[in-house]
Amino acid sequence: EADIYQTPRYLVIGTGKKITLECSQTMGHDKMYWYQQDPGMELHLIHYSYGVNSTEKGDLSSESTVSRIRTEHFPLTLESARPSHTSQYLCASSEYRGTQFTGELFFGEGSRLTVL
Amino acid sequence: AQSVTQPDIHITVSEGASLELRCNYSYGATPYLFWYVQSPGQGLQLLLKYFSGDTLVQGIKGFEAEFKRSQSSFNLRKPSVHWSDAAEYFCAVGDEEKLTFGTGTRLTIIP
Repeated sequence: EADIYQTPRYLVIGTGKKITLECSQTMGHDKMYWYQQDPGMELHLIHYSYGVNSTEKGDLSSESTVSRIRTEHFPLTLESARPSHTSQYLCASSEYRGTQFTGELFFGEGSRLTVL
Repeated sequence: AQSVTQPDIHITVSEGASLELRCNYSYGATPYLFWYVQSPGQGLQLLLKYFSGDTLVQGIKGFEAEFKRSQSSFNLRKPSVHWSDAAEYFCAVGDEEKLTFGTGTRLTIIP
């Protein structure tokens, strides 16, 4: 069973507020990801990290930012939330065994954000 | 650029019937291919993956998928579905750098 946790699971917030979505994993995985998921749409990669102090932007431009100060923790922050940020955000991690990509992403249960 | 097409948005199948979910991909080289499942309120879970070798791969929960290079397809199959298979299924293609997911197919099981 995957050990990756996201909080909060659900968040309703007003426009202009700052929010942070937390993601933690206890598997010691180096690579972590944030995906944005909307109904009927593909999952869009918005951020990823190769390890501590590494952050990269994904395919979908996002106004959010991420940080990776510790291996197990990969929070996502929105400085000023807007209704267009309403979505589900999925955090994931993956393991590299030496130089071999195993291919398996472990996902959290998601954080559903609603901005009014 | 890599892409994934899942042409069926929603499929309804009777319990005990067979299932096939379609997936077509576009990728510049030999792809890594995946099927993930998402149950309501849950994160995605890996069902199976194809890296190389035998083109018919077995996964968890009785699922299998067949890689057909000539058709750029990686369809998911199950001979007899169970009510617990109701979920959203995502096909993905990629490599060590990133995965690209399809839009998903929602599976409904009727008694």
